[in-house]
Amino acid sequence: EVQLVQSGAEVKKPGESLRISCKVSGYSFISYWITWVRQVPGEGLEWMGRIGPSDSDTVYSPSFQGHVTVSVDKSITTAYLQWSSLKASDTAMYYCARGDSISGGRNWFDPWGQGTLVTVSS
Amino acid sequence: QSVLTQPPSASATPGQRVTISCSGSSSDIGSNNVNWYQQFPGTTPKLLIHSNNQRPSGVPDRFSGSRSGTSASLAISGLQREDEADYYCSSWDASMPGWVFGGGTKLTVL
Repeated sequence: EVQLVQSGAEVKKPGESLRISCKVSGYSFISYWITWVRQVPGEGLEWMGRIGPSDSDTVYSPSFQGHVTVSVDKSITTAYLQWSSLKASDTAMYYCARGDSISGGRNWFDPWGQGTLVTVSS
Repeated sequence: QSVLTQPPSASATPGQRVTISCSGSSSDIGSNNVNWYQQFPGTTPKLLIHSNNQRPSGVPDRFSGSRSGTSASLAISGLQREDEADYYCSSWDASMPGWVFGGGTKLTVL
């Protein structure tokens, strides 16, 4: 069974750093992009960026470029999303999802992780 | 502001057919496939339609998708109360480049 299991909810203060994780199982980790999506409470989905686990090739949305970093650890089939300095406006649910196939021909997000709620408040 | 434009809400009564539109541009829907996601309150988004009109295994055939020019639509026939959810369209935007979503449509079953 394909599964993406995310780390638990986090409560942080503005200016703090944070790394959340997405543990993958049930398929070849290096064969699909991992994508990250943000959902601010009560709002819609926003694509943040993606990473190719094989070579850590990354693509970021201009809206998130420079504010977050995505990475992977192939040895433990885990993807990460991290911030060096959180803002209150980063308060949101963050989802990882299995994305496009590296070889092409499959261009959608399925399945999704259960989400990690990040709350940033002083 | 989302790159793809969806109506914020839609409603219909059980048994009716409802259509949700998704409007984009030549760099996204106009040249790339469209996917649709369904999200119930407090839950994870789920793939509903991929590649414009393909249903993943387990998705009822009451759900259908189409794409024409720079627009796409999701149709739900024989509406059921359990279809009440938020629906999002998505496509690749070659100009960014990256994926883009619509703002989402909240479907209410009256």
